[in-house]
Amino acid sequence: GDSVTQMEGPVTLSEEAFLTINCTYTATGYPSLFWYVQYPGEGLQLLLKATKADDKGSNKGFEATYRKETTSFHLEKGSVQVSDSAVYFCALSGGGGNKLTFGTGTQLKVEL
Amino acid sequence: DAMVIQNPRYQVTQFGKPVTLSCSQTLNHNVMYWYQQKSSQAPKLLFHYYDKDFNNEADTPDNFQSRRPNTSFCFLDIRSPGLGDAAMYLCATSKEGANPYTDTQYFGPGTRLTVL
Repeated sequence: GDSVTQMEGPVTLSEEAFLTINCTYTATGYPSLFWYVQYPGEGLQLLLKATKADDKGSNKGFEATYRKETTSFHLEKGSVQVSDSAVYFCALSGGGGNKLTFGTGTQLKVEL
Repeated sequence: DAMVIQNPRYQVTQFGKPVTLSCSQTLNHNVMYWYQQKSSQAPKLLFHYYDKDFNNEADTPDNFQSRRPNTSFCFLDIRSPGLGDAAMYLCATSKEGANPYTDTQYFGPGTRLTVL
């Protein structure tokens, strides 16, 4: 079945550092790929998405490129802020219509 | 603002005592989902409604039921909660387009269920 693997956290960075959170996937067909963010005590919010190979999703300074050849969708940001502290989930849609399969999440802590 | 609302945000129940969680949406989306998220784990889909059509995941326990009386509301019923059912329950919605694989799901804030 479909699956998503994310790097384990927590990831602790200093403010203005470069961020990479790795995500790889296994899926049949042509899934869409998503990054969701969950702030403390809140639900999941869509951060960005890409629906086909080589697409780049971007939002709020975050970017991720759909790499079919490496089955990856790594999240990057050039300069993180304390307000980016949250849990980030990589997910794919493809296992039976609109079902989302999530990774286990990566907690990001940004310190001053 | 259009949104997904979940009530209550925190629910405490006793072992074996039925509990109902509520979700409503003002997005007029035709698909609604219930996910279970245990501590430090990924959200796991329990079931979803496509309009009135109910779709159960194969590994969702019979203890979990759902109702969708109209487009706006969806309920999650746990008939006999066990200690292992303590989790965050997330409701989500989407509007199915031509390609459902590309649809974005919009999540509510979740209901945290504690079972004593």
